[in-house]
Amino acid sequence: EAGVTQFPSHSVIEKGQTVTLRCDPISGHDNLYWYRRVMGKEIKFLLHFVKESKQDESGMPNNRFLAERTGGTYSTLKVQPAELEDSGVYFCASSQERLAGDEQFFGPGTRLTVL
Amino acid sequence: LAKTTQPISMDSYEGQEVNITCSHNNIATNDYITWYQQFPSQGPRFIIQGYKTKVTNEVASLFIPADRKSSTLSLPRVSLSDTAVYYCLVGGDTDKLIFGTGTRLQVFP
Repeated sequence: EAGVTQFPSHSVIEKGQTVTLRCDPISGHDNLYWYRRVMGKEIKFLLHFVKESKQDESGMPNNRFLAERTGGTYSTLKVQPAELEDSGVYFCASSQERLAGDEQFFGPGTRLTVL
Repeated sequence: LAKTTQPISMDSYEGQEVNITCSHNNIATNDYITWYQQFPSQGPRFIIQGYKTKVTNEVASLFIPADRKSSTLSLPRVSLSDTAVYYCLVGGDTDKLIFGTGTRLQVFP
C-alpha cells in the first residue's frame, strides 16, 4: 500500500512568488493534516481536514496560506505571496479514524526555501 | 494541552538498550502518550502508544508509572539505523499532534 506522498520534495522560490504544495494521503483516509517546521523550531500543526471539510485550521499562520481538499482526496497548500519566514519543511499526514491519539502517517515533507 | 520535556540528545552504542524518559506533569485523565520517530529527510513515524503501565510491540516498549507524569521509551539492542529523533507526545481530546523538541539519539558502532 502506498504511503502519504508529497510533491514537490523541494521548492525554491523568491519572496513574493506563489507556491503550491500537494499531498496525496493514503487511500481511504478521511483525515488529512498539514504541519510544518520552520528553521530551528518545532513541528507545528497547521490544519486538519475531514474529507473535504476543514475541521481545525487554528494553526494556519495568516491569510497568505490557503489549503484545499476538493473531493476529499488530495490536498493542496498554497502560499501567496511567499515570505522569507515561510521557509521550512511542510509535512502532510493522514489517518483513518477520527480518534484522538490515532496513528498519523506522515509524508516525507516538502522543503520550501524562500529567497 | 500537556507539555512534554525530554532530553535534547542521547548517545549510545550498538547493541545497548536505550531508555528515553519524557516528563509530562500536566497530563490529563483522557490523554494518551505517543512516541514518534523521525529520520533525516523523512516525516515522523509512529512507534508506540500507551495510557498506563507497560506496552510492548515489535519495535519498543513504553513504561508508564501509576501517576502517568512521565513515560520511558525503551529501545532494546539499538543499531545504527535507530539513529533518529524521538518525540514524546501527549494528547487525548484533540486530533492534532503537539510536537516538542524531541530527543536526538545517536548510535555509534
